[in-house]
Amino acid sequence: QVQLQESGPGLVKPSETLSLTCNVSGVSMTVHDWAWIRQPPGKGPEWLGHISYVGTKDFNPSLEGRITMAVHVSGNYISLRLMSVTSADTAVYYCATRGYSSPYFDFWGQGSLVTVS
Amino acid sequence: DIQMTQSPSSLSASVGDRVTITCRASQSISTYLNWYQQRPGSAPKLLILAASDLKSGVPSRFGGGGSGTEFTLTISSLQPEDSATYYCQQSYSPPYRFGPGTKLQIK
Repeated sequence: QVQLQESGPGLVKPSETLSLTCNVSGVSMTVHDWAWIRQPPGKGPEWLGHISYVGTKDFNPSLEGRITMAVHVSGNYISLRLMSVTSADTAVYYCATRGYSSPYFDFWGQGSLVTVS
Repeated sequence: DIQMTQSPSSLSASVGDRVTITCRASQSISTYLNWYQQRPGSAPKLLILAASDLKSGVPSRFGGGGSGTEFTLTISSLQPEDSATYYCQQSYSPPYRFGPGTKLQIK
């Protein structure tokens, strides 16, 4: 059973960099592509991007230039960095697996609330 | 970018009722449409992919349909545990947007 667990600082100052990790268990990092999705308070989810274990990436154009993702195969985790944050980046951040046939998201972590203030 | 809308934004129904939620895309997305259920305090849970394929383990009272720009999620006989917010999501082209959600309450 795939299990995902996000972790990172719950509070980030404006203009600084948000950094999160997602620990993966129950599956090899090479089996899935890995996605980050966020959900601002009271709003719908927003796809941030996804990455394969060989580094193939697809990012939300609205975040281009600010976002990086990485897959750490030996460590069994993925990472997200979002630079120059503002209050608009306050959200619950989820990691998830990307579907095989198209970008649907079938296994999710519990989420990590990040507040920019 | 493809925009997603949902209707209604909220609804209230009784146990045993048949409920339908509609999702519309701003341009044709074939059947690249997925549905999620989110209970308060939890992550979204995938229910249906490719417009009508029920994910393994999801109760058969959930069904999806549609293609092109209009899609539906139907719950054939509402159960108390179906109280949640439901989101559609297009997987046709990036950015892979979610709809604004439909909040379903049980009377």
